[in-house]
Order: sequence, then structure tokens, then C-alpha cells
Amino acid sequence: EAQVTQNPRYLITVTGKKLTVTCSQNMNHEYMSWYRQDPGLGLRQIYYSMNVEVTDKGDVPEGYKVSRKEKRNFPLILESPSPNQTSLYFCASSLSNEGGQFFGPGTRLTVL
Amino acid sequence: GESVGLHLPTLSVQEGDNSIINCAYSNSASDYFIWYKQESGKGPQFIIDIRSNMDKRQGQRVTVLLNKTVKHLSLQIAATQPGDSAVYFCAENPGSEKLVFGKGTKLTVNP
Repeated sequence: EAQVTQNPRYLITVTGKKLTVTCSQNMNHEYMSWYRQDPGLGLRQIYYSMNVEVTDKGDVPEGYKVSRKEKRNFPLILESPSPNQTSLYFCASSLSNEGGQFFGPGTRLTVL
Repeated sequence: GESVGLHLPTLSVQEGDNSIINCAYSNSASDYFIWYKQESGKGPQFIIDIRSNMDKRQGQRVTVLLNKTVKHLSLQIAATQPGDSAVYFCAENPGSEKLVFGKGTKLTVNP
């Protein structure tokens, strides 16, 4: 089944404790992206990747890092999480930046 | 700057009626548009897309209309069903490497 998977789905952590949210797609898509979704603000792009070893900042990259060592994986790293990073995070992938993106199920992160 | 917005944050319709969800965009350079549906607790799901060289595109029970003159996009859902209840987002590609999403319209279908 073609899908985008994210782990964990739910996470409660404390300020400053490094965490990684994994994202994997099995569709051989070149384009992958991370979004955060907050009430009243909609979906905002954090980082995106056009292909392996090619990443770029989205609209809200501060406090986040990503890597794209393999085509299928695009982890999101929070080196020192803060409460303002409490949000619902979505990973997405598509054949190209112009295609309709497939979204993962979301990761709900709470930073205390 | 780039922005994609929606005229109404909520829309309530009766089951069986047609629904129209609107979206305004500001970047005249945008050449690709997508509508997404997000059900509660799930990620956005692709519904239909349209390129700027088209005015209309139809899918199964859905139609997207694009008016480039007034920079307006709409999603029409025919014979709306309870399963259509969700938040609907439009997104635009302004010629860059990323999509810009609107804030969403919540559609509620009343039985």
C-alpha cells in the first residue's frame, strides 16, 4: 500500500530534550516536506527536500533540522524543543514539487 | 506577499445539497492549485488539482473552478454526503518549490 508513515504519532516531552520524528514513504517520491499545523494558522511548511541530500527551508524553519540521506526517509529533528513547538506535524511526499502531496497521519507533539 | 485565503471559515449544508467552498489567492504567478480534504484526526488528503491553463476540472462529484481574472478558486461538491464533512484546504504553487496553503474551511453536512 502506498503510504507515508510517521513515528511517533504522539509524543509528550520536556523543554530541551532532543527528539526526532521519523518520516518514511514507499512511493519512490523525490519531493518530501514537513509541515506544522496550528489552530488559526493552517499548514505552514518547515523544511522541504527536492531529492537526496537536497534540503531547503520553508516558512518556519527556526528550531528544526532535517536530513535526507535516503530517498524514502526524511526525519525532523528538534535539537532543543521549546513549548512553542507544541503542534501537529505532518510529513508529505510527492513525485515533484508540483504534484499533489501525500500526507502522513500526523504527529502530535507536546513540549512541556 | 504570497497568501492563500478562504472567504468563509465554516460552511453548513444539508445532505444532498451541493456545496461550494471558495478560496482567494494573491499571487498572479501561481500556476498550479490543489484542493485537500482533512478529516478529524487525519492528514490532508488530495482531492483534485488544476493548472492555470484551465478554467474548470471535474472529478468524481467534485469540480474545481479557476478564475484567474479575480484570482479565485472554488471547489464544488455535488450531492454532499455526511462523509464529506471535513476541513477543506486550497493550496497554490506560486512558481517556487513549495506549496502555500490556505487556512481551511470547515464543512458540516447536516442529515
